[in-house]
Amino acid sequence: GENVEQHPSTLSVQEGDSAVIKCTYSDSASNYFPWYKQELGKGPQLIIDIRSNVGEKKDQRIAVTLNKTAKHFSLHITETQPEDSAVYFCAAAGNFNKFYFGSGTKLNVKP
Amino acid sequence: DTGVSQDPRHKITKRGQNVTFRCDPISEHNRLYWYRQTLGQGPEFLTYFQNEAQLEKSRLLSDRFSAERPKGSFSTLEIQRTEQGDSAMYLCASSSIVSTDTQYFGPGTRLTVL
Repeated sequence: GENVEQHPSTLSVQEGDSAVIKCTYSDSASNYFPWYKQELGKGPQLIIDIRSNVGEKKDQRIAVTLNKTAKHFSLHITETQPEDSAVYFCAAAGNFNKFYFGSGTKLNVKP
Repeated sequence: DTGVSQDPRHKITKRGQNVTFRCDPISEHNRLYWYRQTLGQGPEFLTYFQNEAQLEKSRLLSDRFSAERPKGSFSTLEIQRTEQGDSAMYLCASSSIVSTDTQYFGPGTRLTVL
């Protein structure tokens, strides 16, 4: 089955700096890669996604890049704000859109 | 659009008891997923429905677990003879027939087995 690895497990940045979270996947058949933000006690919230026919996607301060050859994808958050502090999960979609999640990155944005 | 809802939000039970959780997907979403999330980990897939048909079950879903979606709308997840290892957050997600990739998650049910 699919195996998704996510790094780093924790990330601390100063407000206004950029944050980058990286994920790798193993199954070349995976073709959909969402990123979720999870705040304490809440369910994951979709923040951005990318499909395998696209190399990069941007939505305001958030961007995602995908390298299919190397089987890795990354989340970039620019101009970080304290409200960006949360746990971020990457995922890769297998059969029937069954998601395989990374282990999460706890982002702390210091004011 | 009221989002995915789950009930209860928290459940504390004693080992050996049965528990049942409910998930109401976004209206007219035909796909419904159950995931389990333990502390410090990402969600793990448990099972998936398309309308009322349960199409796939993970090996994580032992015979003590059963899920139903009788009318293709809400779903229930039952755990029989709970064990301490069942303590986790149980998440439900749904997706539409138009955009099957995008899954929207509910707030989860936090289960604690004493």
